[in-house]
Amino acid sequence: GAVVSQHPSWVICKSGTSVKIECRSLDFQATTMFWYRQFPKQSLMLMATSNEGSKATYEQGVEKDKFLINHASLTLSTLTVTSAHPEDSSFYICSARGGAQNTEAFFGQGTRLTVV
Amino acid sequence: AQTVTQSQPEMSVQEAETVTLSCTYDTSESNYYLFWYKQPPSRQMILVIRQEAYKQQNATENRFSVNFQKAAKSFSLKISDSQLGDTAMYFCALGGSNYKLTFGKGTLLTVNP
Repeated sequence: GAVVSQHPSWVICKSGTSVKIECRSLDFQATTMFWYRQFPKQSLMLMATSNEGSKATYEQGVEKDKFLINHASLTLSTLTVTSAHPEDSSFYICSARGGAQNTEAFFGQGTRLTVV
Repeated sequence: AQTVTQSQPEMSVQEAETVTLSCTYDTSESNYYLFWYKQPPSRQMILVIRQEAYKQQNATENRFSVNFQKAAKSFSLKISDSQLGDTAMYFCALGGSNYKLTFGKGTLLTVNP
């Protein structure tokens, strides 16, 4: 299957700072990328959908100014958590769709964010 | 709106035995896809099996098979010959024309030796 690489795997940042998470499709062109948030022992909640070259579409209740998403190329999308606070601590997962298997989305390994 | 319901928060099974995980869903779309994902302790999401709604035949992948009942909007996963490595969280997911996935709350499966 296709490979999606997410970086970093884990990050600790101070409250008030910003942190950027990268999601790369390594062997296919990702026409659409999705960003999810997962709290401990809970399911994945879709935060936003991004298409290359256009603005991201955010799900209801997700602050677009806090979670900045950029999808500048067909292989890279970034999620920036701005002015992070402890309540932003969570597991963030990206997935990417595109290439020959258009109906299937491939997941990155996730990023554990801890804000102290 | 799409919804996915997994009514079994936790299940356990003895090694080599068979276990079935339940999933029901609701959608207004006529063309959709259903998935079972496995999330082990590493938290990497791994696709176990997928089913296109327009296909009547139940999908099978080695020890994993589904029972897709379209009219009942049911999509259960059967794991045969359970192995210790099958211990994980299992999520049922529904995808529609916009390719967004809606996930159920998950079932934590423990395979006991």
